[in-house]
Amino acid sequence: GAVVSQHPSRVICKSGTSVKIECRSLDFQATTMFWYRQFPKQSLMLMATSNEGSKATYEQGVEKDKFLINHASLTLSTLTVTSAHPEDSSFYICSARDGQRVTDTQYFGPGTRLTVL
Amino acid sequence: AQSVTQPDIHITVSEGASLELRCNYSYGATPYLFWYVQSPGQGLQLLLKYFSGDTLVQGIKGFEAEFKRSQSSFNLRKPSVHWSDAAEYFCAVGAGTYKYIFGTGTRLKVLA
Repeated sequence: GAVVSQHPSRVICKSGTSVKIECRSLDFQATTMFWYRQFPKQSLMLMATSNEGSKATYEQGVEKDKFLINHASLTLSTLTVTSAHPEDSSFYICSARDGQRVTDTQYFGPGTRLTVL
Repeated sequence: AQSVTQPDIHITVSEGASLELRCNYSYGATPYLFWYVQSPGQGLQLLLKYFSGDTLVQGIKGFEAEFKRSQSSFNLRKPSVHWSDAAEYFCAVGAGTYKYIFGTGTRLKVLA
């Protein structure tokens, strides 16, 4: 149980285009989802917290107009990188919190490798 | 401020040897603590977690961790390392409102 998927696993796009990444909780309802960014050989940096049916909460320094987050259902959150540039190339990982469980545990997706040319 | 420190960036051990990965945290209240493992190009897999109760926590793949409040530590241990344990290990603390703060990670290399 507690499986989180991400799609796509890899994406290559041209500079200036937008890319959408999906994060799904497959066997539980995720009241809260999180989006992280990970640079090579570095730790995970939280970008934003997404609650179903409400606006995402962005961490300091993260441009909300560039990284659009939608959490329209209890099993799906999307991250759209708008007008992507090479510096947006990174590994993006989502996680989901199971709202039905008492314990505060996040389950992570396999990540999406974004390369902007 | 809340923080997590993993002092060792790289650790190399021989297969079959014991392993200890260090994690120190700074958090005002009783922390929720986690260890995750990440293989190259993959997401994070939960190894174990501590919320309350017994300070020695057993996890998957033969890992265990001990919460020591007096030392603000949550070190990960394994008595005998396997080659497949080579990966990046992250310690995290639950920082309220369900957010995590991650350490910088420790990369484990296992020698045959």
